[in-house]
Amino acid sequence: DAKTTQPNSMESNEEEPVHLPCNHSTISGTDYIHWYRQLPSQGPEYVIHGLTSNVNNRMASLAIAEDRKSSTLILHRATLRDAAVYYCISNRYGGSQGNLIFGKGTKLSVKP
Amino acid sequence: KAGVTQTPRYLIKTRGQQVTLSCSPISGHRSVSWYQQTPGQGLQFLFEYFSETQRNKGNFPGRFSGRQFSNSRSEMNVSTLELGDSALYLCASSPRRASEVPGELFFGEGSRLTVL
Repeated sequence: DAKTTQPNSMESNEEEPVHLPCNHSTISGTDYIHWYRQLPSQGPEYVIHGLTSNVNNRMASLAIAEDRKSSTLILHRATLRDAAVYYCISNRYGGSQGNLIFGKGTKLSVKP
Repeated sequence: KAGVTQTPRYLIKTRGQQVTLSCSPISGHRSVSWYQQTPGQGLQFLFEYFSETQRNKGNFPGRFSGRQFSNSRSEMNVSTLELGDSALYLCASSPRRASEVPGELFFGEGSRLTVL
């Protein structure tokens, strides 16, 4: 499983887009990219995942670089509720492992 | 549909005691994984159970153990508690084995253990 690197913290204004970067330069061809977030006093919550193509869902968009060595989680309009720690995880599936390896994540603050 | 339920939410123990934490997965989910979260080490994988069998284990001492029942409910036990075991213990459920399909891991709110 590839190691990921994220900024420790980021700030955003409410109702503005947020781009959260993640570097995974050692990713292999079968590693998926996941994003989870953890709101204060809660367990992690799944946000989005992808392999090669950009992905969209109701929560966010995931833009994956063509060489797959980096990706960006995009929150289109940040709300106060989006203030959380965001974890970018690279993980392989189909083998005997599959447990997620969390890094330190990016703490996102949203200002009103 | 009810989420992952963990009990108790908070508990305080003293060194040397043991503790049992419980996790009820989302109905229909057969996989339960346990994670430990501390300020220093972050989120670390403990073990995964699927169909009552431990399928995967993290790098934790044998004092940490678990089991899964036929209804998919899971318990984890920590014996001979140490101060360093103070942490938030998180349970996550999945309809299939966590190693099979991405994006299907659902976490509970955790059990916060304090060891004095």
